[in-house]
Amino acid sequence: GQQLNQSPQSMFIQEGEDVSMNCTSSSIFNTWLWYKQEPGEGPVLLIALYKAGELTSNGRLTAQFGITRKDSFLNISASIPSDVGIYFCAGLPVNAGKSTFGDGTTLTVKP
Amino acid sequence: SQTIHQWPATLVQPVGSPLSLECTVEGTSNPNLYWYRQAAGRGLQLLFYSVGIGQISSEVPQNLSASRPQDRQFILSSKKLLLSDSGFYLCAWSVDRASVFGPGTRLTVL
Repeated sequence: GQQLNQSPQSMFIQEGEDVSMNCTSSSIFNTWLWYKQEPGEGPVLLIALYKAGELTSNGRLTAQFGITRKDSFLNISASIPSDVGIYFCAGLPVNAGKSTFGDGTTLTVKP
Repeated sequence: SQTIHQWPATLVQPVGSPLSLECTVEGTSNPNLYWYRQAAGRGLQLLFYSVGIGQISSEVPQNLSASRPQDRQFILSSKKLLLSDSGFYLCAWSVDRASVFGPGTRLTVL
């Protein structure tokens, strides 16, 4: 089946720093999704991308759908302590009803 | 509005005991439903998904089973739990290609 490579696996940063994480795949996806999971809760959708090259922002978060349709990145600017959590990318291929998830990037922000 | 419920929130069960986790969705019809398991600090493993009543697809051979007796109800079961069944179980439904996750059930098998 399809697999997503999400990196980095974990990040330890200082408050105020910018963060960048990405996902790559050997397969083409029609949709890229980014989720955030806080401890003890289910993941929550942050940004959805539906077209190659699309760049979408949600507050301090910016995500892009790679032009090759095989990758996506998520940037967080000026991180704050409440940004901590696990960030997951997910891709939806052309004719499948279920998402393929990356293994997550665990973000720790030191005040 | 659409909501998704899971219960119980936490569960501690002995090895060999049965399991039943329930997930219900409100505010939508004929959703795609999913069960995921997440080990501590790890990614999401898709266990089962369903596109309709009585239609279940299993992603990983294991000690668990799933059923969908009603359109908005998805149940995860086991006849005899193993230690390796411990984890955080998440139910989800998909809308417009994105998934909406429930609050999860933390299962500890002792």
